[in-house]
Amino acid sequence: QVQIVQSGPEVKKPGASVRISCLASGYNSITYAIHWVRQAPGQRPEWMGWINTANGNTKYSQKFQGRVAITRDTSTRTVYLELMSLTSEDTAVYYCGGTRCSGGTCSSGVPYTWVDPWGQGSRVTVSS
Amino acid sequence: ESALTQSPGTLSLSPGERATLSCTTSQPVSSNFLAWYQQKPGQSPRLLIYAGYSRAIGVPDRFSGSGSGTDFTLTISRLEPEDFAMYYCQQHETFGPGTQVDIK
Repeated sequence: QVQIVQSGPEVKKPGASVRISCLASGYNSITYAIHWVRQAPGQRPEWMGWINTANGNTKYSQKFQGRVAITRDTSTRTVYLELMSLTSEDTAVYYCGGTRCSGGTCSSGVPYTWVDPWGQGSRVTVSS
Repeated sequence: ESALTQSPGTLSLSPGERATLSCTTSQPVSSNFLAWYQQKPGQSPRLLIYAGYSRAIGVPDRFSGSGSGTDFTLTISRLEPEDFAMYYCQQHETFGPGTQVDIK
């Protein structure tokens, strides 16, 4: 069974960067990809991007293009989200979550858009 | 990018009643890209339905998804106390505004 554990809360000043980690266990890296989704207080979830852990391919939301990076460390099965040039609008809970890929393998398939399972969330507060 | 709306915004029902939640896209979308989630306060979202009508592992069969084109529905056949929560639909990578199911 896939389990996902995220890093703890962060408090950052405007203009800074934040890096959040996501450790997924219990799955084969060629059959899973990782999404990042954030949710501001009282708002709907907002998709940020995904990484195909099998080959490192990424896709980002246009909204965050240029200031977000999703990377992976295959040796530790950890995925990272880095968000730069933070403003107060980036205050939110950041979730990572798993998904499978089309064709049953992420080596050649494309990650599905649904997210399951979800991590517990990492709260990021941006405040001066 | 297709816009998503969900209706109603709030649904007030009693345990045992049937809940019907709607999700409408501005452009037709394949049901392969339509999912439903449940979220309770302070918790992460939980996948209920993916690819339009397939139940995620562990989801009770009182939850069902249907629809095609621009109109999709999540039905909860008989509400249990634990079903009172926020529900989001997702089309491709976009999430809808949600429907809050409250106890009447």
